Amino acid sequence: DSGVTQTPKHLITATGQRVTLRCSPRSGDLSVYWYQQSLDQGLQFLIQYYNGEERAKGNILERFSAQQFPDLHSELNLSSLELGDSALYFCASSGNTGNQPQHFGDGTRLSIL
Amino acid sequence: SQQGEEDPQALSIQEGENATMNCSYKTSINNLQWYRQNSGRGLVHLILIRSNEREKHSGRLRVTLDTSKKSSSLLITASRAADTASYFCATTSGYSTLTFGKGTMLLVSP
Repeated sequence: DSGVTQTPKHLITATGQRVTLRCSPRSGDLSVYWYQQSLDQGLQFLIQYYNGEERAKGNILERFSAQQFPDLHSELNLSSLELGDSALYFCASSGNTGNQPQHFGDGTRLSIL
Repeated sequence: SQQGEEDPQALSIQEGENATMNCSYKTSINNLQWYRQNSGRGLVHLILIRSNEREKHSGRLRVTLDTSKKSSSLLITASRAADTASYFCATTSGYSTLTFGKGTMLLVSP
């Protein structure tokens, strides 16, 4: 058990819809990262938050947004969904220094019909 | 974009044999990490090696890092069926965000 909790485990929705993925980091971890895993793109970094503030941005589409709340949980919002957004979305957390491992949740599997 | 490239893409061995996976990357790094992913599950951190380290051990795992060649290898000794999984290398540079390779699928047969 990594200590990182992601909900829901599965989401099935239609094109054009909007969904929210939730992540609770490991106790004490201030950094939260979001990754997308798909067959064609592999594992891609989307965005990082540190103690409530955006720290780094990766290959995140403008239709996607995220935030980290004062209790350190994070949400990833995906809107105007397209078929190509179907993927596994992972949240990870780590401590506040660079040379630390990241701890991953079990992911949310998003299927767009 | 992918930073690392693992080699081979797939590896099939018998229990008890050693498994070696290689990873190459393109830019300078702060550290390199190896992760394991069982089918459809989250990634599990295996080992982190800093850019100023050359070798690291953890149980049956041995990782080497050659920054002059921008490459790393992961050796799993005395493989078990439970080692069957995908293995990813990931690098950090600048920020602590991870840039992953495409992974090696390891199948260990009893």
